[in-house]
Amino acid sequence: DAKTTQPPSMDCAEGRAANLPCNHSTISGNEYVYWYRQIHSQGPQYIIHGLKNNETNEMASLIITEDRKSSTLILPHATLRDTAVYYCIVTDKLIFGTGTRLQVFP
Amino acid sequence: GAGVSQTPSNKVTEKGKYVELRCDPISGHTALYWYRQSLGQGPEFLIYFQGTGAADDSGLPNDRFFAVRPEGSVSTLKIQRTERGDSAVYLCASSFPTYGYTFGSGTRLTVV
Repeated sequence: DAKTTQPPSMDCAEGRAANLPCNHSTISGNEYVYWYRQIHSQGPQYIIHGLKNNETNEMASLIITEDRKSSTLILPHATLRDTAVYYCIVTDKLIFGTGTRLQVFP
Repeated sequence: GAGVSQTPSNKVTEKGKYVELRCDPISGHTALYWYRQSLGQGPEFLIYFQGTGAADDSGLPNDRFFAVRPEGSVSTLKIQRTERGDSAVYLCASSFPTYGYTFGSGTRLTVV
């Protein structure tokens, strides 16, 4: 199973873009990149996923490098409600790591 | 229903007792996962079903834990002879393959 590396924590000012990086250097060709977030005491929430092309939805954008060894989740205009732990996952089995704790401040 | 439903939302049991946790996935979702999450930790994979069969049960910590999905829809996680260390939030998720998984709100199990 591919493993991921994320910074343990990040801060972002409200209204600014939050860019959350993830390294997944051992990803295999058929493994998708998934992003989830978990707000305190709730179940994880799906954000976005992709295989090799960049993806965008109403919540976020996902930028995957050409070699697929890393990706960046972009929240274009962070709000206080985006404060959560963000998980990057690259296996079909959805193995969660420790994630990045994003704190959005006023 | 519109989402993944887990019941009960909270369960308190005495050490040594047997408990069952239920997960109702989104209708038509073929894949179903169970996780458990301890305070301050990420969700820990337990077992994965594709249809009725357990495609991967490598995350079950020991033989006190067992899960079934007899008709490929509702799943039950069963824990025998509960221990205080089993206290956690148990999460269920369902999906079509390669789509994003939808998680339930979890069952908070407390073993006293």
